[in-house]
Amino acid sequence: GENVEQHPSTLSVQEGDSAVIKCTYSDSASNYFPWYKQELGKGPQLIIDIRSNVGEKKDQRIAVTLNKTAKHFSLHITETQPEDSAVYFCAAEVGGTYKYIFGTGTRLKVLA
Amino acid sequence: EAGVAQSPRYKIIEKRQSVAFWCNPISGHATLYWYQQILGQGPKLLIQFQNNGVVDDSQLPKDRFSAERLKGVDSTLKIQPAKLEDSAVYLCASSKTTGNTEAFFGQGTRLTVV
Repeated sequence: GENVEQHPSTLSVQEGDSAVIKCTYSDSASNYFPWYKQELGKGPQLIIDIRSNVGEKKDQRIAVTLNKTAKHFSLHITETQPEDSAVYFCAAEVGGTYKYIFGTGTRLKVLA
Repeated sequence: EAGVAQSPRYKIIEKRQSVAFWCNPISGHATLYWYQQILGQGPKLLIQFQNNGVVDDSQLPKDRFSAERLKGVDSTLKIQPAKLEDSAVYLCASSKTTGNTEAFFGQGTRLTVV
């Protein structure tokens, strides 16, 4: 079945620096890759997503890149702020099923 | 647009007791998911509904967990009897079936089994 691996599990950066979180997936039929941010006591919230027909997508300080050949995708956060501190999850949709498999999460801490 | 509603927010029960969680998805969303999130882990899919039919329940421990979505809108997830390892946050999510497949999550129900 589909498997999604996520690294690192924890990441600390200084405010203003960039943060990068990487994920790999196993199912070559996956074609939709969302990223979720989960704050303490809340459900995951979608922050950006990418489909397999594009290699990169950007939304202000957040960008996602996708390499379908290598089956990996990454989240890039630039100019990090304390409010970016949270747990981030990558996910992959199992080809055409609307079923999402999540990574294990990255706890990002932005130090002021 | 109202989000995914879940209740209760918190529940503490003793092992071997039963518990039920309720979810009201976003209006018009045909697909509904129940996920289990154990502390420090990513959400794990338990069951996926398409309207009132089950699409995938391969990860649902059917000897103790059950879920239904009788009218294709609200859903309930039940655990009977509960075990200590069922302590987790149970997340409900919903998505449209066509077009944008973004899944929206509720705040979750934190279950503690003692």
